Amino acid sequence: QSALTQPASVSGYPGQSITISCTGVSSDVGAYNYVSWYQQHPGKAPKLMIYDVTNRPSGVSNRFSGSRSGNTASLTISGLQAQDEADYYCRSYTSRNTLVFGGGTKLTVL
Amino acid sequence: DVQLVESGGGLVQSGESLRLSCTVSDFNFNNHGLSWVRQAPGKGLEWVSGISSSGGSTYYADSVRGRFFISRDNSENTLYLQMNSLGPEDTAVYFCARSPDAYNHYYFDYWGQGTLVTVSS
Repeated sequence: QSALTQPASVSGYPGQSITISCTGVSSDVGAYNYVSWYQQHPGKAPKLMIYDVTNRPSGVSNRFSGSRSGNTASLTISGLQAQDEADYYCRSYTSRNTLVFGGGTKLTVL
Repeated sequence: DVQLVESGGGLVQSGESLRLSCTVSDFNFNNHGLSWVRQAPGKGLEWVSGISSSGGSTYYADSVRGRFFISRDNSENTLYLQMNSLGPEDTAVYFCARSPDAYNHYYFDYWGQGTLVTVSS
């Protein structure tokens, strides 16, 4: 099972918006609504930011939003803040009854 | 609040075995699927294995199938990962993670802090 494809890095200035893509295939990202996004700061455990493609857990800022088009899911962060600087990972359920993560994207707030 | 605490990591030689444990403080432990996720130094997250709430269904990544075995003890609120025939490529921080559903399909809502496994050649 190949990892989902994410850009290695993205960057933006405070206040700007950025979007991170996550591309899979028709048997994972494109097949199920079980796409989620995680934020990970260095040395910390991942934190759930988006689940079921578009839903935001309680306590997560509404600056974070998720979407999907075909086999590509996306995470958008609006109004960038310094504390958003972290690694971000997407995750999907697959038709083989397994789970797969994206390779991860390093977000730099300039 | 739900807490997951991993233990059992350490330094082993190539070819040796190790068993990881994850103790979960969760009144509804029996209702949730659980997984192991690892992260090699400086690398991304890799899902390793999952187990259903009852323990009756288990799932593995191709990279560990036949070498790693996941299990759980619902009477002790504990998740296990038996790792055999370890190689340097298994060196990583191993996280346990909880899914809100019984089969690990949905997402991971709680994570442990991880335990480091180092395999020397």
